[in-house]
Amino acid sequence: SQTIHQWPATLVQPVGSPLSLECTVEGTSNPNLYWYRQAAGRGLQLLFYSVGIGQISSEVPQNLSASRPQDRQFILSSKKLLLSDSGFYLCAWSGSRLDSPLHFGNGTRLTVT
Amino acid sequence: QKEVEQNSGPLSVPEGAIASLNCTYSDRGSQSFFWYRQYSGKSPELIMFIYSNGDKEDGRFTAQLNKASQYVSLLIRDSQPSDSATYLCAVTQAGTALIFGKGTTLSVSS
Repeated sequence: SQTIHQWPATLVQPVGSPLSLECTVEGTSNPNLYWYRQAAGRGLQLLFYSVGIGQISSEVPQNLSASRPQDRQFILSSKKLLLSDSGFYLCAWSGSRLDSPLHFGNGTRLTVT
Repeated sequence: QKEVEQNSGPLSVPEGAIASLNCTYSDRGSQSFFWYRQYSGKSPELIMFIYSNGDKEDGRFTAQLNKASQYVSLLIRDSQPSDSATYLCAVTQAGTALIFGKGTTLSVSS
């Protein structure tokens, strides 16, 4: 069966510090991979998605970036965090069609202080 | 800007009642529709999905889709306190990933 691992579970970072969140998927090949963010009291916001290695689509231009160095690895990064970057970051995978159901990891709760 | 709208609630129902959750979407081209459940502090989990007009049943859950009116609903029969959560509606859009509504909070009282 497929599993998705996301870490760390919680993170407290000062403003201006860098960020790296990692997500890996097991049990499937060539998945679509996604990063969403859920700010307090708000809905899920699509940040990035990837349909293959090195292929990244950005939905919201901001100080975040994403990379997919391997088929089942997805990384979310920032060079300098802002207070507004606080939120619940969720990695997800799906089958190869963009209309496939998403399956989420356990999420990373990021607090920027 | 394509949107998915949900009443934020809270929707309060007594144990054993039917809970009805609604979602409307703006993109007429949307073809696939999903319901997720999210407990406080946890990640969303898929409940069910529906692609065609009409009803789809899975245990105590029924999803209803009306593409002409651009709404999708989720019925939960015999509601239990463990169903208390936020329910997220998600819709596909051409060329991009799922777009989510902000969710409806359901509270089931025993």
